[in-house]
Amino acid sequence: DSGVTQTPKHLITATGQRVTLRCSPRSGDLSVYWYQQSLDQGLQFLIQYYNGEERAKGNILERFSAQQFPDLHSELNLSSLELGDSALYFCASSGQGGNTEAFFGQGTRLTVV
Amino acid sequence: LAKTTQPISMDSYEGQEVNITCSHNNIATNDYITWYQQFPSQGPRFIIQGYKTKVTNEVASLFIPADRKSSTLSLPRVSLSDTAVYYCLVGPSGSGYALNFGKGTSLLVTP
Repeated sequence: DSGVTQTPKHLITATGQRVTLRCSPRSGDLSVYWYQQSLDQGLQFLIQYYNGEERAKGNILERFSAQQFPDLHSELNLSSLELGDSALYFCASSGQGGNTEAFFGQGTRLTVV
Repeated sequence: LAKTTQPISMDSYEGQEVNITCSHNNIATNDYITWYQQFPSQGPRFIIQGYKTKVTNEVASLFIPADRKSSTLSLPRVSLSDTAVYYCLVGPSGSGYALNFGKGTSLLVTP
């Protein structure tokens, strides 16, 4: 158990819909990262939050957004869903040091039909 | 960010030593090298991290030559349970994990 909790584990939704993925980081970790994993692209970095503020942005589509709340949990919002958004979405958290270990959750498998 | 290149896949038999090499020619002075392991439908898990020379822990060793343009993850006496995808990451201290893991190296261990 990494200490990072993601909900839900599975999500099936229709094209055009909007979903919210939730991540609770390890206790005390200030950084939260979101990733998308698909067969063709591998594990791609989407966005990072640090103590409530956006810290870095990767290959995140404009239809996607995220936020980190005062209690440090984070949500990834995916809207106007397309078939190609079907993927595993992972959240990871790490402590203050930049090269400390990042701990990953078990992921949310999103299927868009 | 430094670009990394690693083999797409590798095969090994149980009990053998496996070495996975990652190239990172444009590694910067303050970059660290980190390896992660991922089993199907699970989140990646940290294996080892190093800056230069050799680092060893209970599961693996990481060899980094003096020029740091490559690194080799060494898994001693692999078992079937080592079948997984292995990712090589290179990034500056302080940037954390705001980087793409890519497709990694898919290691298959057979009896």
